[in-house]
Amino acid sequence: QKEVEQDPGPLSVPEGAIVSLNCTYSNSAFQYFMWYRQYSRKGPELLMYTYSSGNKEDGRFTAQVDKSSKYISLFIRDSQPSDSATYLCAMSGYGNNRLAFGKGNQVVVIP
Amino acid sequence: GAGVSQTPSNKVTEKGKYVELRCDPISGHTALYWYRQSLGQGPEFLIYFQGTGAADDSGLPNDRFFAVRPEGSVSTLKIQRTERGDSAVYLCASSSRAGEQFFGPGTRLTVL
Repeated sequence: QKEVEQDPGPLSVPEGAIVSLNCTYSNSAFQYFMWYRQYSRKGPELLMYTYSSGNKEDGRFTAQVDKSSKYISLFIRDSQPSDSATYLCAMSGYGNNRLAFGKGNQVVVIP
Repeated sequence: GAGVSQTPSNKVTEKGKYVELRCDPISGHTALYWYRQSLGQGPEFLIYFQGTGAADDSGLPNDRFFAVRPEGSVSTLKIQRTERGDSAVYLCASSSRAGEQFFGPGTRLTVL
C-alpha cells in the first residue's frame, strides 16, 4: 500500500462548478498537508498548506484535513478554465521533511 | 523575489553518459530537496539537504546518483552511467519552514 492514495482519474467539469478532490493516507505521523497545482510541463505550485486537522480557506480554494480518518480534501469553487491542471496532494511529518505525494488528479474545466 | 531556478530545462543524453543538473534555491532557504517525477506520477523524493550536508539521501535509487551542495546554496545532482530508466523530470524544491516546499520548473532528462 502506498503512503498516499489519490485516485488519478481525470475530472471534467463545466465552468462555475465545484471541484472536489481528495487523498487518503496511511502514515499517522503526517502533520503537514499540502495541495499543489501543476500545469503541463511546469513545476508544482504550492496552493494550500495546512498543519494538522481543520479547514483552511483561501479565495476560491478550501482545504480540509481529517486526521482521524486520514483523509484530506480540496474544494475549488466557481471553477475557471484557468484552473485546468493536475492537482497533487502532498504530506510530511515532524522531523521528516520529505514530501509524500499522491499521483495527481487531472482537472479540466470546460468553458 | 526570484523563485527556485533549475538548469538546464531540458537535457538529452545517451545511455552511459554522465549528467549534471543544477538547482538554485530561493535566497535564504536553508533546506533543499530533489525529487524525480515520471509521467503520470507524483514526484518521488530523492535527497534532502539542510545547509551543506545531506540530511536524508535515502531516496537515491542507487550509487549512480549523487548530489552536492558545497556552499549551502546551489545544489548539483549528478548521475553517472545514465540508463534509459533514468528519463524523468527532476525537480528541485527549497523551504524555510517544515512541509512548505517551493518547486522549480524542473529539468526534463531524456536518456536515449
